[in-house]
Amino acid sequence: GPKVLQIPSHQIIDMGQMVTLNCDPVSNHLYFYWYKQILGQQMEFLVNFYNGKVMEKSKLFKDQFSVERPDGSYFTLKIQPTALEDSAVYFCASKTTNTGQLYFGEGSKLTVL
Amino acid sequence: GDSVTQTEGLVTLTKGLPVMLNCTYQTTYSPFLFWYVQHLNEAPKLLLKSSTDNKRTEHQGFYATLHKSSSSFHLQKSSVQLSDSALYFCALSPYGGSGNKLIFGTGTLLSVKP
Repeated sequence: GPKVLQIPSHQIIDMGQMVTLNCDPVSNHLYFYWYKQILGQQMEFLVNFYNGKVMEKSKLFKDQFSVERPDGSYFTLKIQPTALEDSAVYFCASKTTNTGQLYFGEGSKLTVL
Repeated sequence: GDSVTQTEGLVTLTKGLPVMLNCTYQTTYSPFLFWYVQHLNEAPKLLLKSSTDNKRTEHQGFYATLHKSSSSFHLQKSSVQLSDSALYFCALSPYGGSGNKLIFGTGTLLSVKP
């Protein structure tokens, strides 16, 4: 089936550093999402992105977070600076239409020391 | 606001027994409901979806019926297998609501014993 690719799969960084998580969504998909999951817990919505713009963001999407998708490249989540509470698995997801199925990547595990 | 409630955090069963995982939701919009399954260290994968009232939907032995009158979308299986051990999320897409986001419940961990 369709695949969403995420790079890196694991990242360990020191608190205060910047990190960029990359997502290669399914090729014909138009809607892009980031979710945060702390080990074995709820999938929490961070942000969604369509037509080059953020459509909605949650309270978890702090000022230190940003997303972009330059033409033809990855959909990225940048955290600058990172904090200890940012340690989690970040899942990228994409879909074709407003009501379409959401496909998830395998996740990027971020550990902030 | 829009929300999803899963009342069981952990369900432990013996192989071959039936299971029902509860899911209720709140929204003022026309709901699309989903069940996602997440195996350890993997991405969540779609198991079932529905937006049709009172129509049963089935996949891989699992089934669920959206009941708008009770705002429920419980997941069932008649005979669980060891491979069904995973985290199960109920999710809501409030069509017409802002952002088109998928709102997840807290998840139910299903543990199947031999």
